[in-house]
Amino acid sequence: AQRVTQPEKLLSVFKGAPVELKCNYSYSGSPELFWYVQYSRQRLQLLLRHISRESIKGFTADLNKGETSFHLKKPFAQEEDSAMYYCALSGRTGFQKLVFGTGTRLLVSP
Amino acid sequence: DVKVTQSSRYLVKRTGEKVFLECVQDMDHENMFWYRQDPGLGLRLIYFSYDVKMKEKGDIPEGYSVSREKKERFSLILESASTNQTSMYLCASSFLSAGGLGEQYFGPGTRLTVT
Repeated sequence: AQRVTQPEKLLSVFKGAPVELKCNYSYSGSPELFWYVQYSRQRLQLLLRHISRESIKGFTADLNKGETSFHLKKPFAQEEDSAMYYCALSGRTGFQKLVFGTGTRLLVSP
Repeated sequence: DVKVTQSSRYLVKRTGEKVFLECVQDMDHENMFWYRQDPGLGLRLIYFSYDVKMKEKGDIPEGYSVSREKKERFSLILESASTNQTSMYLCASSFLSAGGLGEQYFGPGTRLTVT
């Protein structure tokens, strides 16, 4: 079964502190992994995907197949990073749909 | 800019009413999706469609149906609304890609309250 687990509902840090939002997945095969973000009063949007290997807004995420994890990291959090973050996976074959985790709210305080 | 629009931002309906939620995208995307978003539960897929007149059940299709008569439009129907269908409903669309799932573009959401 496909499953995405985000163990933290809320992560609260101070500005300038490092951030790591955890994501673990269960999938029999080779999935595609994504991070989506929803800022206050804005629509949900793609932050990054593992195949692009990009750093977006200072965030990076590395796919660890051994630990089945795709944690989102940023070395120095900013107040504007405060948002709801969702990890999601998709299979590479069959119907192209996403399975989302339950989300982690990141709160960055000044 | 990809635009996904939803017919209403807020909707209040009574138990037992038939409810229509409309979604329109302007990027000629093949795939369209309906999710509900609930605190602590994340996004759960209700139905999706990969072509006109085609539909597939997602993870929580009970109590819902969909219609896709035109490529750009995907409708979610609550045949007889119930209070447990009070939620935020999100529509999304994406290209059908042979190389894996493309980016999904989301609408602003419809907050439905069933009383």
